[in-house]
Amino acid sequence: EDQVTQSPEALRLQEGESSSLNCSYTVSGLRGLFWYRQDPGKGPEFLFTLYSAGEEKEKERLKATLTKKESFLHITAPKPEDSATYLCAVPLSGTYKYIFGTGTRLKVLA
Amino acid sequence: SAVISQKPSRDICQRGTSLTIQCQVDSQVTMMFWYRQQPGQSLTLIATANQGSEATYESGFVIDKFPISRPNLTFSTLTVSNMSPEDSSIYLCSVLTDQETQYFGPGTRLLVL
Repeated sequence: EDQVTQSPEALRLQEGESSSLNCSYTVSGLRGLFWYRQDPGKGPEFLFTLYSAGEEKEKERLKATLTKKESFLHITAPKPEDSATYLCAVPLSGTYKYIFGTGTRLKVLA
Repeated sequence: SAVISQKPSRDICQRGTSLTIQCQVDSQVTMMFWYRQQPGQSLTLIATANQGSEATYESGFVIDKFPISRPNLTFSTLTVSNMSPEDSSIYLCSVLTDQETQYFGPGTRLLVL
């Protein structure tokens, strides 16, 4: 069964304290793993797509990596404005529909 | 990428009434999706809306409750019918681009009293 699991559910960091968020997936024939950022009350904002194990993408303080079983979103020296919920998603096998993880709520304290 | 707008951005409605949410995208897209996000939860797919055919609904969602229109390749509507407080959620539309990436609208925050 296709499945996406994110951990931790919530994370509190001090400003400048680097950490990683995890997204574990089980899907037949991965066609991409997608990371989104969602601010309260708003729609998810697309961050990255990763297609194959070993691939890495970077954007400002964020770096996403992919293995055959999981993806990590590394946050380096975070700032309070990085506070948001981070979601990962994969397409269901044979469809264009996404399975979303439950997200990691990140709070960065000044 | 795609730029998506939704109307209304938020609304407060009485139980038993209906609300139609509009989704407009700045380019022609084949596949559009409607999601619901209940407070503190992740996204749940309601249906896939393809132009020229009836929407395909996910388990637990029915056309009588959530009728969808898709008159052209840049526009869709979702109606939440006969609302109850349990329908209070954020409703999101998304579009699928050539790279199989979904882009989301800003959402419609619905509160049913």
